[in-house]
Order: sequence, then C-alpha cells, then structure tokens
Amino acid sequence: KQEVTQIPAALSVPEGENLVLNCSFTDSAIYNLQWFRQDPGKGLTSLLLIQSSQREQTSGRLNASLDKSSGRSTLYIAASQPGDSATYLCAVRIRDDKIIFGKGTRLHILP
Amino acid sequence: GAGVSQSPRYKVAKRGQDVALRCDPISGHVSLFWYQQALGQGPEFLTYFQNEAQLDKSGLPSDRFFAERPEGSVSTLKIQRTQQEDSAVYLCASSPRVGKNQETQYFGPGTRLLVL
Repeated sequence: KQEVTQIPAALSVPEGENLVLNCSFTDSAIYNLQWFRQDPGKGLTSLLLIQSSQREQTSGRLNASLDKSSGRSTLYIAASQPGDSATYLCAVRIRDDKIIFGKGTRLHILP
Repeated sequence: GAGVSQSPRYKVAKRGQDVALRCDPISGHVSLFWYQQALGQGPEFLTYFQNEAQLDKSGLPSDRFFAERPEGSVSTLKIQRTQQEDSAVYLCASSPRVGKNQETQYFGPGTRLLVL
C-alpha cells in the first residue's frame, strides 16, 4: 500500500530564507508526483508536477526534485516571503484515478 | 474562466441527518473526483467518475456514502445518517481528459461539514 510522508509537519522560518520541504513515498511505481499549496479555508492549488521520468521541475522561486528509486521528493523555496505561508501537500499518482496525499507541511514565514 | 465550485461552503448537521454536497466541475472536464480531508490530514480519495460512470468508489468509508453524476457534469455526494466522524472538508476536483496521467486535477474550495 502506497504511503506518503512529509517532514517536517510544521516549519517557521524568517522571511528571506531558503527552505526545503521533504516528501517520501513507499512504492516507486508512480505516474507522477505533485506539490500543492493549500490556504486556510480554500482548495488546493497545484504548484509543480513532475512526471515519473523527470528529475525536477521549476517555477519561479520553487524547485521540486524527484528521486523515484529512493522514493523521495523535495520542494525548495528560495527567498521566502510572508505570502508563502500555507500548507504544502505532496501527492503521488498511482494510477489514472487515484492520488495519494501526504499530511502536509504547515509553513509559516515570519515577517 | 470559472473554476470548480462547491456548495454549500459550510454545512452543520445534527447527527442522523442526511446531507447532500454539490460539485460543479470545470465545463467539459471528463473526470471528477471526491476527497475527504479531516482536520490536520491530507485529502483522502473517496470516489472517481469518468463522465457519468462511477469507475472507482473504493474510498467511500461506508454504505452511508453515495455519489452520483447522472449527466456527466454536476456531481452530488450524499451522506446518510451522518455521524460525528463524518465531520471533515469534502473536496471535489476535476480534470480534462481520460487516461492522461500527467494531467493535474483542479480543486474546488471544499465543503466544510460539521456533524454535532
């Protein structure tokens, strides 16, 4: 059974720092891995999607990497801003119709 | 363009009541998904539709949960005889094509259900 774990569960860092969020999954048979952002009371916004054949994706200050063989992904956020405060969710697609989510990392950027 | 919408946004129900949660996917999206997100947890898969066909309902926690999408657009998730453990945010997502593993899902804002 696929399990997705995110570490740390919560993180507070001063504004301007670079930071890394970690995600691990138990079964390497995935189609893709996705990082989402969730703001309180709102739905999920897709940040980056990495296909199983890819190693990384970048969007602005965000960079996500994927090491499928070891079951790990990282989300790197450069020059953090207070607006980055949110919960970040990692999810793996295991077949067409099913995505397995981690519990998320609650990120707080201190002004 | 319009995104995925869900209604109501908040619902308070007394234990034992039936509730119906509505999802309006993005127009033309073939696939529709329901997830349940308990407080402090990630979303958990409930069920999946491809057009009007419910292809996977393995995540529905009990036979009190029922979902439908009769015309392949709007979907309703119904919970009968609600229990306190049903309290959660129910998220709906849609995606445009079938069999495209690289397609992302577009999420609605969710319905927050509180069962007293």
